[in-house]
Amino acid sequence: NAGVMQNPRHLVRRRGQEARLRCSPMKGHSHVYWYRQLPEEGLKFMVYLQKENIIDESGMPKERFSAEFPKEGPSILRIQQVVRGDSAAYFCASSLLVGETQYFGPGTRLLVL
Amino acid sequence: GQQVMQIPQYQHVQEGEDFTTYCNSSTTLSNIQWYKQRPGGHPVFLIQLVKSGEVKKQKRLTFQFGEAKKNSSLHITATQTTDVGTYFCAGESTGANSKLTFGKGITLSVRP
Repeated sequence: NAGVMQNPRHLVRRRGQEARLRCSPMKGHSHVYWYRQLPEEGLKFMVYLQKENIIDESGMPKERFSAEFPKEGPSILRIQQVVRGDSAAYFCASSLLVGETQYFGPGTRLLVL
Repeated sequence: GQQVMQIPQYQHVQEGEDFTTYCNSSTTLSNIQWYKQRPGGHPVFLIQLVKSGEVKKQKRLTFQFGEAKKNSSLHITATQTTDVGTYFCAGESTGANSKLTFGKGITLSVRP
């Protein structure tokens, strides 16, 4: 049973470009969460999605960031017009039920030059 | 909103020493979970505590959920270098719109 998969594992972008991060949850999981982790800091919640629905985006910056979890395919976290401050590790997690154990993917390390 | 606090953020111990860290929530929780993240890795689920006063052990790790279900502790007996990493607690709030809120974590370093 494959775990949570994220790709790419590392992503380098120049300022102003777009970053697209993908997350495939564990098989059977329909709850997906995105977190951002800055160097030497904890996990900051960004957004919680179920299939085709954004449930809680209270941690998502209002501009340039968007997330989706389509009926088919992985969840996508999209960052438009990246800035240096977006450099961080972005983790995706999935759970079988809301509030239950979250299984994390390996993360995407984004570096903005 | 709900806050989950872990203080301090860093702790250094000598190999063989015991280590205890605490996690405190601003609200009553339905359950609390602990995760470990090794340097360069991703958070990995360790354990979930549900009942008031619950104590669970995993080898040298002992987890406890407070009687009021607002705090938790992690105790490591005789630390080893393999215990190095960041330990996060995460609390699930009660109620209809429950969510899991992570603390900032405590990063443990162990001197050999």
